[in-house]
Amino acid sequence: GNSVTQMEGPVTLSEEAFLTINCTYTATGYPSLFWYVQYPGEGLQLLLKATKADDKGSNKGFEATYRKETTSFHLEKGSVQVSDSAVYFCALVISNFGNEKLTFGTGTRLTIIP
Amino acid sequence: DTGVSQNPRHKITKRGQNVTFRCDPISEHNRLYWYRQTLGQGPEFLTYFQNEAQLEKSRLLSDRFSAERPKGSFSTLEIQRTEQGDSAMYLCASSYPWGAGVLNTGELFFGEGSRLTVL
Repeated sequence: GNSVTQMEGPVTLSEEAFLTINCTYTATGYPSLFWYVQYPGEGLQLLLKATKADDKGSNKGFEATYRKETTSFHLEKGSVQVSDSAVYFCALVISNFGNEKLTFGTGTRLTIIP
Repeated sequence: DTGVSQNPRHKITKRGQNVTFRCDPISEHNRLYWYRQTLGQGPEFLTYFQNEAQLEKSRLLSDRFSAERPKGSFSTLEIQRTEQGDSAMYLCASSYPWGAGVLNTGELFFGEGSRLTVL
């Protein structure tokens, strides 16, 4: 089956630190990969995505590169801010007509301290 | 575009009672998904609809759970004879069908969720 494994949290960093949140996947097929973010008191929202190998998704200073050879999609940001404090979820979908649903990882809680 | 709306936001009930949650998707979206999220876990797929047709149900969705989308617009998720293990956040999301060309970016738009507490 399909699954996503995320770096366990919580992760606490100082403002302006470099961030990496690891994500690896197992998929029976060729997935598209996503990072979703959940800010306190809000719903999940798409942060970035990549649909094929070597694609790089980016948004709000975050980046992730689809690495087929290592089945990974690690999230990175060069300089985090307090406002980045949230829970981050890695997810995949296999496009297969009639079976197109997201599979999520367990989430990584990120706290940025000033 | 008012986003995906879920009601109620929080429901506290006693074991054995029935509860119903409602989801109003983004109006142009014809796919609607229900997920369940427990503390410290990622969302788990429950079921989804394309228009009024329920296309897939997870094994997580026991016989006590039923979802409907009668007119292809809003959806309801009913849980009968609630158990303490049903306590969770129930998330609704909507999207265009996967592969719908420029209309679909693969993104699901989530509501803020309905939190269920079963005492």
